[in-house]
Amino acid sequence: GQQLNQSPQSMFIQEGEDVSMNCTSSSIFNTWLWYKQDPGEGPVLLIALYKAGELTSNGRLTAQFGITRKDSFLNISASIPSDVGIYFCAGPPLWGGATNKLIFGTGTLLAVQP
Amino acid sequence: ETGVTQSPTHLIKTRGQQVTLRCSSQSGHNTVSWYQQALGQGPQFIFQYYREEENGRGNFPPRFSGLQFPNYSSELNVNALELDDSALYLCASSTGTEETQYFGPGTRLLVL
Repeated sequence: GQQLNQSPQSMFIQEGEDVSMNCTSSSIFNTWLWYKQDPGEGPVLLIALYKAGELTSNGRLTAQFGITRKDSFLNISASIPSDVGIYFCAGPPLWGGATNKLIFGTGTLLAVQP
Repeated sequence: ETGVTQSPTHLIKTRGQQVTLRCSSQSGHNTVSWYQQALGQGPQFIFQYYREEENGRGNFPPRFSGLQFPNYSSELNVNALELDDSALYLCASSTGTEETQYFGPGTRLLVL
């Protein structure tokens, strides 16, 4: 199926470090969503972005909606062990099919060493 | 406010059998979407239900079907199970006019 491209694929960092990851698409999106998923659990919504250029924070997390509407970025500051998990970007595509289905990125695995 | 709930949490079936998974949407939400997540991949959209009718479908065969009830809860039915149907099945709820979806904990299906 269709997917968004996320990078990096995985990150192994020390506690306290800052983290940056991004998500790109060949098509434009009007909404970008960032989710975190723990093993065997459902994705949990972290941040929702609705406007090109928008910068939104949720605690130590900050996400931006790219100006081209084809990308988005997620930053985590001062990482802690509970930040471990898989981070997915997602958005409803503007092309064919259900208007509110979500396309998910390939995921970024984050590991934090205490 | 009650979040999205799913049942059962785990299920083991054999090839050729049928399975029904259930989802209760978050309070105030009238739209339910179902996703399949294979190991190591992102969720893939199966279909969405809005006001008890199918409102879009992903690239899944007709043996994947669903229902939505007047209380907005939903069922996912899969007939003639195949080994590749083994996955985490996720339900997400939203309001009909918003794109932000909230996910349940999922049902882990294993087909032997």
